[in-house]
Amino acid sequence: GAVVSQHPSRVICKSGTSVKIECRSLDFQATTMFWYRQFPKQSLMLMATSNEGSKATYEQGVEKDKFLINHASLTLSTLTVTSAHPEDSSFYICSARTDDKNIQYFGAGTRLSVL
Amino acid sequence: GENVEQHPSTLSVQEGDSAVIKCTYSDSASNYFPWYKQELGKGPQLIIDIRSNVGEKKDQRIAVTLNKTAKHFSLHITETQPEDSAVYFCAASWAGNQFYFGTGTSLTVIP
Repeated sequence: GAVVSQHPSRVICKSGTSVKIECRSLDFQATTMFWYRQFPKQSLMLMATSNEGSKATYEQGVEKDKFLINHASLTLSTLTVTSAHPEDSSFYICSARTDDKNIQYFGAGTRLSVL
Repeated sequence: GENVEQHPSTLSVQEGDSAVIKCTYSDSASNYFPWYKQELGKGPQLIIDIRSNVGEKKDQRIAVTLNKTAKHFSLHITETQPEDSAVYFCAASWAGNQFYFGTGTSLTVIP
């Protein structure tokens, strides 16, 4: 299957700092990428849909000013958690959808710990 | 919007036995149904998928069946092995739309 690379895999930061997570589709172009948050033993919670060249669409309850998404190319989307607080600690996962077949491939996830 | 329900939430089987996980969906417009396997601390991995123009699809020990009339689809794993232990998620989608995920099934294969 197609490969989606997500970095970093783990990040520990101090409260109040910002953290950037990158999501790259390595062998296909993805007009649309998704960002999810996953709590322990729970399903994937969609945070936002990222479309290349346009503003991201955020799900209800997700603060767009806190979770900044940039999708500047067909192979790269970034999620920046601004002014991180301990309650932002979580597992964040990105996915990229193939343009032709509507298949989503996931990155390996980023474990964010805010101290 | 779409609502996907998944059962059971946990499943334990003896090595070599079969495992079946079932999902139902609500939106008849959904036409794509993938299954993902997620190991601890990792991202979900696509293991098999089926589209609405097909009733069954098989890939070695894994198979998926779809009943459009009843709006349900199932994952079948035969000859289970310890490395099959993971959390499995079903999803439903239609072209251009987001994926709606089930709540997950934690599968444990007992050696």
